Amino acid sequence: GQQVMQIPQYQHVQEGEDFTTYCNSSTTLSNIQWYKQRPGGHPVFLIQLVKSGEVKKQKRLTFQFGEAKKNSSLHITATQTTDVGTYFCAGLTAAGSARQLTFGSGTQLTVLP
Amino acid sequence: EAQVTQNPRYLITVTGKKLTVTCSQNMNHEYMSWYRQDPGLGLRQIYYSMNVEVTDKGDVPEGYKVSRKEKRNFPLILESPSPNQTSLYFCASSPRTGISGYTFGSGTRLTVV
Repeated sequence: GQQVMQIPQYQHVQEGEDFTTYCNSSTTLSNIQWYKQRPGGHPVFLIQLVKSGEVKKQKRLTFQFGEAKKNSSLHITATQTTDVGTYFCAGLTAAGSARQLTFGSGTQLTVLP
Repeated sequence: EAQVTQNPRYLITVTGKKLTVTCSQNMNHEYMSWYRQDPGLGLRQIYYSMNVEVTDKGDVPEGYKVSRKEKRNFPLILESPSPNQTSLYFCASSPRTGISGYTFGSGTRLTVV
């Protein structure tokens, strides 16, 4: 079945430093989504990328979708303590009428003040 | 308020005692899904449903059942729970896969002893 790998599993940064998490799929994706889960909370949708090579920004967050639509990254510039949480990518494939969203294992971000 | 409601939030049960975790959404979403979250494994899909009376297996369906008799409800049934089903469970819904992200419920922490 489809696999979505995400690295690193953990990342500790000093407040103000940048952070990047990477996502790689074993199969070509129709789109990729990113979610954030705060400690003790539930995943919250951040963004969706659909087009090959697409880049989207949300304030300090930059999301990229690879040209081959098999990889993606999330980059946070100048991290803040409010960025703490686990970031998940989730790949969507389309197979006939059936669609499944497969999540990566997540990157747990700790921001040290 | 648009939301996905799961109940109960916490549940401790004994091996073999049938249980149901309820999930309800008030957004008229066609697509609903159940995930389990375990440390280091991310979110793994158990079952998903494209619409009423349409359900399909995800990546880890063994030991679980679902039903979708109404659009708003998608209960998760464990006929004979075992300790390896101890986990954090999330229900999620989406208007249609590929258009927008998932809205997640607050989660159900299940312990099977």
